[in-house]
Amino acid sequence: NAGVTQTPKFRVLKTGQSMTLLCAQDMNHEYMYWYRQDPGMGLRLIHYSVGEGTTAKGEVPDGYNVSRLKKQNFLLGLESAAPSQTSVYFCASSRGYQPQHFGDGTRLSIL
Amino acid sequence: KQEVTQIPAALSVPEGENLVLNCSFTDSAIYNLQWFRQDPGKGLTSLLLIQSSQREQTSGRLNASLDKSSGRSTLYIAASQPGDSATYLCASQGGSEKLVFGKGTKLTVNP
Repeated sequence: NAGVTQTPKFRVLKTGQSMTLLCAQDMNHEYMYWYRQDPGMGLRLIHYSVGEGTTAKGEVPDGYNVSRLKKQNFLLGLESAAPSQTSVYFCASSRGYQPQHFGDGTRLSIL
Repeated sequence: KQEVTQIPAALSVPEGENLVLNCSFTDSAIYNLQWFRQDPGKGLTSLLLIQSSQREQTSGRLNASLDKSSGRSTLYIAASQPGDSATYLCASQGGSEKLVFGKGTKLTVNP
């Protein structure tokens, strides 16, 4: 039982490049979330999804897009990466209002 | 807008000491209060979840309490061990799927 798996674990991008972060969960959870964690800022919600085919904005959605085409996968896209998007990105999933299960993160650097 | 605060930002104690971590929140209309642990380079692991109707939850050496009227929660760790060294985060959940996180308390337990 893998839980929540994030791909890739590390990535370095140049400003203006695009990329997609993949999150996969095998717990049949309805809810999935994308967070970013920055020093001094804590954990902030980017986008989330309460079910297949649905997405919603969180606290810091600008510059990111998401898709939830399958219940087990939640994709986070950066269309034109900026240095301000250098961060550690975490995906999480939950069954309703139960505790969220987190992946180990993607460390993204944008030069 | 809910704000969650954790003080102190860092705490260092000798092994065997009992300790209390503090969490305060500004909006008492919460659904639950959750405590997480984060080890370096890892995602968050759920420790305890207290429903708004509960006063406390216990798991092994951990005890979390909730006082909605004062906007406070505490995490009590008994007989601390070096393996307890980590960052501890609290998060409140209001009437939605979203969690609001504090910035965490970094705990170091010295042998």
